[in-house]
Amino acid sequence: GQNIDQPTEMTATEGAIVQINCTYQTSGFNGLFWYQQHAGEAPTFLSYNVLDGLEEKGRFSSFLSRSKGYSYLLLKELQMKDSASYLCAVLDSNYQLIWGAGTKLIIKP
Amino acid sequence: DGGITQSPKYLFRKEGQNVTLSCEQNLNHDAMYWYRQDPGQGLRLIYYSQIVNDFQKGDIAEGYSVSREKKESFPLTVTSAQKNPTAFYLCASSTLGGANVLTFGAGSRLTVL
Repeated sequence: GQNIDQPTEMTATEGAIVQINCTYQTSGFNGLFWYQQHAGEAPTFLSYNVLDGLEEKGRFSSFLSRSKGYSYLLLKELQMKDSASYLCAVLDSNYQLIWGAGTKLIIKP
Repeated sequence: DGGITQSPKYLFRKEGQNVTLSCEQNLNHDAMYWYRQDPGQGLRLIYYSQIVNDFQKGDIAEGYSVSREKKESFPLTVTSAQKNPTAFYLCASSTLGGANVLTFGAGSRLTVL
């Protein structure tokens, strides 16, 4: 079967750095997405990785290793507004999105 | 501004009733999707459509129905056959082909009383 694993919940301090991991086992791979979702709101796109390596976008970076079936989202200089769930999703060989259950990130002052 | 509008945001239903959730987009996207989100689970695809008057079942289509009479609109009906309909429902759209970013609506929370 296809599977995406993420930690259920993480806690970090304002101003710090946090890394949210995502491991996947899917039938084929056509890219990996990260979305941010504040409670009760719509998910919004953060990043897309299809090649190995690090993609940096402001305070957020996303890393992919296809050989290890592994990605992480790195958030720097954490702000209170970063408190949200972070969803990892993989596009499989049929271009269907497989979603992880999401990681709830709690930021403490 | 372009986007996706879902309505209603909150909906209560008695058992045995059908309800319809609205989804409208003005992004000129060809593809539209309905997802269900439950606590502790990933998004699950209910139905999707890539062209007007055509749609395909997703992973959990039983108890749901859709229509795509206009490019902009993709309403979802939750029928009485859906045994556990209480959930957060998300509509999304995208362009076609390859790895396309989904744009989501704000969601509709359905509660069965």
